[in-house]
Amino acid sequence: EAQVTQNPRYLITVTGKKLTVTCSQNMNHEYMSWYRQDPGLGLRQIYYSMNVEVTDKGDVPEGYKVSRKEKRNFPLILESPSPNQTSLYFCASSGQYNEQFFGPGTRLTVL
Amino acid sequence: EDQVTQSPEALRLQEGESSSLNCSYTVSGLRGLFWYRQDPGKGPEFLFTLYSAGEEKEKERLKATLTKKESFLHITAPKPEDSATYLCAVQAAMGDMRFGAGTRLTVKP
Repeated sequence: EAQVTQNPRYLITVTGKKLTVTCSQNMNHEYMSWYRQDPGLGLRQIYYSMNVEVTDKGDVPEGYKVSRKEKRNFPLILESPSPNQTSLYFCASSGQYNEQFFGPGTRLTVL
Repeated sequence: EDQVTQSPEALRLQEGESSSLNCSYTVSGLRGLFWYRQDPGKGPEFLFTLYSAGEEKEKERLKATLTKKESFLHITAPKPEDSATYLCAVQAAMGDMRFGAGTRLTVKP
């Protein structure tokens, strides 16, 4: 089954404790992206990657890191999480300039 | 700066009452305009991609249209199962994506 998977689905952590949210897709897509969704603000792009070893900042990259060492994986790293990073995070993938397939989401709470 | 504005924020319809959702955009080099449907607690689900002004696409009770400045999602004779948040997004020439805040549609039986 073609899909985008994210782990963990739910995470509660404390300020400053480094964490990684994994994202994997099995559709051989070049494009992958991370978004955060907050009430009233909609989906905002954090980082995106057009292909392996190519990453670019989206609208809200501060406090996040990504890497794209393999085509299928695109992890999101929070080196020192803060409460304002509490949000619902989505990973997505697509062919170039095509519709994106979204993962199920990761609900992160930073205390 | 690239911008996407959706209106209205919320829309309540009776079953069978047709209406339209609006998406106004400004973008440097439009690669594509996308419509998604999102149910509570789930990831967005793809509906349509439009690439150039004048293009139209249809799927069941939904029809999407595109001009140089805006897109419309027309809903004909909606049913309660059409209740969801509808998101519009544009992809710019550099590959970055910008989403609107969405229109929350409620269809009452």
